[in-house]
Amino acid sequence: GAVVSQHPSWVICKSGTSVKIECRSLDFQATTMFWYRQFPKQSLMLMATSNEGSKATYEQGVEKDKFLINHASLTLSTLTVTSAHPEDSSFYICSVHNRAPSSEQYFGPGTRLTVT
Amino acid sequence: GQNIDQPTEMTATEGAIVQINCTYQTSGFNGLFWYQQHAGEAPTFLSYNVLDGLEEKGRFSSFLSRSKGYSYLLLKELQMKDSASYLCAVLDSNYQLIWGAGTKLIIKP
Repeated sequence: GAVVSQHPSWVICKSGTSVKIECRSLDFQATTMFWYRQFPKQSLMLMATSNEGSKATYEQGVEKDKFLINHASLTLSTLTVTSAHPEDSSFYICSVHNRAPSSEQYFGPGTRLTVT
Repeated sequence: GQNIDQPTEMTATEGAIVQINCTYQTSGFNGLFWYQQHAGEAPTFLSYNVLDGLEEKGRFSSFLSRSKGYSYLLLKELQMKDSASYLCAVLDSNYQLIWGAGTKLIIKP
């Protein structure tokens, strides 16, 4: 399966600052990457679908101007949380989608964001 | 609307067997996944079913009935390390994953 990395694995920032999270597909060229958010004791919530070379597709209720996604290459997508607030504190996970018969998603290890 | 239902929490004893059920109502169906997620970690893939029947993989088995919109994950010979959340997810007609809220499995010695 694909190997996906995320950086940083955890970050603490002050309210009002911006934070960039990187998602790298290490051995798989991913034209599509997914960004999820997970609050404690809740399931994964899809935020957006990141498409290489084009604009991301955001889910309803997710502010595209607040969560900036850039998918500049087949191996890298970035999520920037702009003007972060404490309610943005969450576990952010990226994944790549394999369109082979199993259509399995491979998840990165996640990034724990805490906004103080 | 699209909906995935699974129990919120289950408790089982080490060495025993537990079955976690999942029912779904989605627009189209291109397969059902089970993922395991330990606290503070990302989900890891357990199984994928697209045809009816039972898929066995070691101590874990997954069953699917498309006509009933139903799946279960069967865990045998439970170990303490199996304590985790188990997420059911369905791939809909647009190849978008629809996630259940997860079932927290607590294993007691």
